[in-house]
Amino acid sequence: DAKTTQPNSMESNEEEPVHLPCNHSTISGTDYIHWYRQLPSQGPEYVIHGLTSNVNNRMASLAIAEDRKSSTLILHRATLRDAAVYYCILGYQGAQKLVFGQGTRLTINP
Amino acid sequence: DTEVTQTPKHLVMGMTNKKSLKCEQHMGHRAMYWYKQKAKKPPELMFVYSYEKLSINESVPSRFSPECPNSSLLNLHLHALQPEDSALYLCASSQESSAAHYEQYFGPGTRLTVT
Repeated sequence: DAKTTQPNSMESNEEEPVHLPCNHSTISGTDYIHWYRQLPSQGPEYVIHGLTSNVNNRMASLAIAEDRKSSTLILHRATLRDAAVYYCILGYQGAQKLVFGQGTRLTINP
Repeated sequence: DTEVTQTPKHLVMGMTNKKSLKCEQHMGHRAMYWYKQKAKKPPELMFVYSYEKLSINESVPSRFSPECPNSSLLNLHLHALQPEDSALYLCASSQESSAAHYEQYFGPGTRLTVT
């Protein structure tokens, strides 16, 4: 199974953009890149997913490298509510499960 | 309605007790999941149901028994648990069980303590 690598923790300031990196150098051509986050004392929450092209939604943007070996989740203007653990997960074509890695703990300073 | 509900929110049980966790969704999703999450760790998949049939059991001990009575409900029956089974139990659902294509919606979890 292809794995993802994320920094253990990151820190940013409120109202600034945040770029959360993820490496997945062994990704295969049909694997989707998913991002979830888990706020304190809550279940994980879907953020965004994509295959090749950059993706945008109301929560975030996903920038995927041309070789697909890395991706970046972009929070355009962080708020205190964005403090969470962010998980980058590969969704394998034909698989029925997501395997969570350790994730990145994001701290937002006021 | 994009909500997955779980009851109870908290549960304390002795090692000889039998209890059940309940999960419900009304999004018409055909895949449902149980995860276990220990403190400061990522969620770990336990079971996957697809169209009300068990499709994945991640070698979970038999003291955990899942049940999917219908497409909206998922139960986890607990019997003879050990203190190390204390954790947050998360339920999730998705439109279909394809991990590549469909996002999962998670409930808030049941915090289980085994004494």
